[in-house]
Amino acid sequence: EVQLVESGGGLVQPGGSLRLSCAASGFTFSSYWMHWVRQAPGKGLVWVSRINSDGSSTSYADSVKGRFTISRDNAKNTLYLQMNSLRAEDTAVYYCARDLEGGSTHFDYWGQGTLVTVSS
Amino acid sequence: SYELTQPPSVSVSPGQTARITCSGDALPKQYAYWYQQKPGQAPVLVIYKDSERPSGIPERFSGSSSGTTVTLTISGVQAEDEADYYCQSADSSGTHGVFGGGTKLTVL
Repeated sequence: EVQLVESGGGLVQPGGSLRLSCAASGFTFSSYWMHWVRQAPGKGLVWVSRINSDGSSTSYADSVKGRFTISRDNAKNTLYLQMNSLRAEDTAVYYCARDLEGGSTHFDYWGQGTLVTVSS
Repeated sequence: SYELTQPPSVSVSPGQTARITCSGDALPKQYAYWYQQKPGQAPVLVIYKDSERPSGIPERFSGSSSGTTVTLTISGVQAEDEADYYCQSADSSGTHGVFGGGTKLTVL
């Protein structure tokens, strides 16, 4: 069974940093592209970032480019999102999601999410 | 930036047919995907590549495409189908994901 479990969320002050993790199991993690998607409270889904299977290629939404860094450790079956210079508008539930087709921007499995709150 | 446009809400009675539309200029060139999200839960893929249904998704869910508009159709709506539905696609480069604003389906 495919499982994605996010962790690392919490309360952080504006300008601060946080690193999210997503532990994957039930599939060959190193074969799949992975994504982060976020959802502000009461709002819609927003794609944040993706990384290819070996970690050599990444892309970001304009709203986080230069502040967030996606990475992965295939030996640990774990996806990461390093978030720096956090703003109030980054407050959201952050989901990790598995790429549906390899190299796409579509998702077949999602984690349950971790809440990030940026507030003073 | 590229946008996908959905109606904010759709309401139907049980047993009726619900249709949720999604419009976007790149949809003739990029497939659309549909996700169902119930309160407090992660999204679930219900339609991929405009009209394909993943295993485990009931047959009452179907998708179609015409020009710049894609449509999610739920036939014989059940109370359990009440949820938010999001269409999703890619920008013209295919490297950035884009979601519609979501449609809240209410089963009366």
